[in-house]
Amino acid sequence: SYELTQPPSLSVSPGQTATISCSGDKLGDKYTSWYQQRPGQSPVLLIYNDNRRPSGIPERFSGSNSGNTATLTISGTQAMDEAAYYCQAWDISTDVVFGGGTTLTVL
Amino acid sequence: QITLKESGPTLVKPTQTLTLTCTFSGFSLSTSGVGVGWIRQPPGKALEWLALIYGNDNKYYSPSLKSRLTIAKDTSKNQVVLTMTKMDPVDTATYYCAHWYRVGGYYFDYWGLGTLVTVSS
Repeated sequence: SYELTQPPSLSVSPGQTATISCSGDKLGDKYTSWYQQRPGQSPVLLIYNDNRRPSGIPERFSGSNSGNTATLTISGTQAMDEAAYYCQAWDISTDVVFGGGTTLTVL
Repeated sequence: QITLKESGPTLVKPTQTLTLTCTFSGFSLSTSGVGVGWIRQPPGKALEWLALIYGNDNKYYSPSLKSRLTIAKDTSKNQVVLTMTKMDPVDTATYYCAHWYRVGGYYFDYWGLGTLVTVSS
């Protein structure tokens, strides 16, 4: 079955750039999405089709996808960005798959 | 405005069957490329996709849970129902339904608030 691997945690200082990776076999050949989940809340779509932002998502969130790795970049990280982040892809063998999530701490 | 809401029991006993209903508004399942999916999240753990259904009644299941899951739609009521058999304490989780879009990409763009299901005797 297809798997997506994310680092469990990441810490950044306010104003710095946070980079969260998501790796999977030939992930660059698939469309990847990213979700933000704040504690006690439902996930929110941040990025779809590798690098597109839904309306209302700040420009500081961006995505890329190539080779075996998709990346979510948060520029000028703010305290409100402290949350869990999940990547998601679709694969013909397993349909929908989520990564294990990355908890971002802003300190 | 697209909204989804999950409903069902908050407590089930081990071995019982869980039935959850997702009631949605603001979209039609008959629209090409649109589906409704179920995702769960055990306390403190990651999201896990469970099942997905399209308006043409094509259904897709998580390979690891396929034998226990059934997803169905009632288009007239704007509802999608998920059934999970042989519930176990490890199935304790918040269960979400979400609007799925499969046009030029594959993603859940609207989510319900989720419903916490506890499995305990």
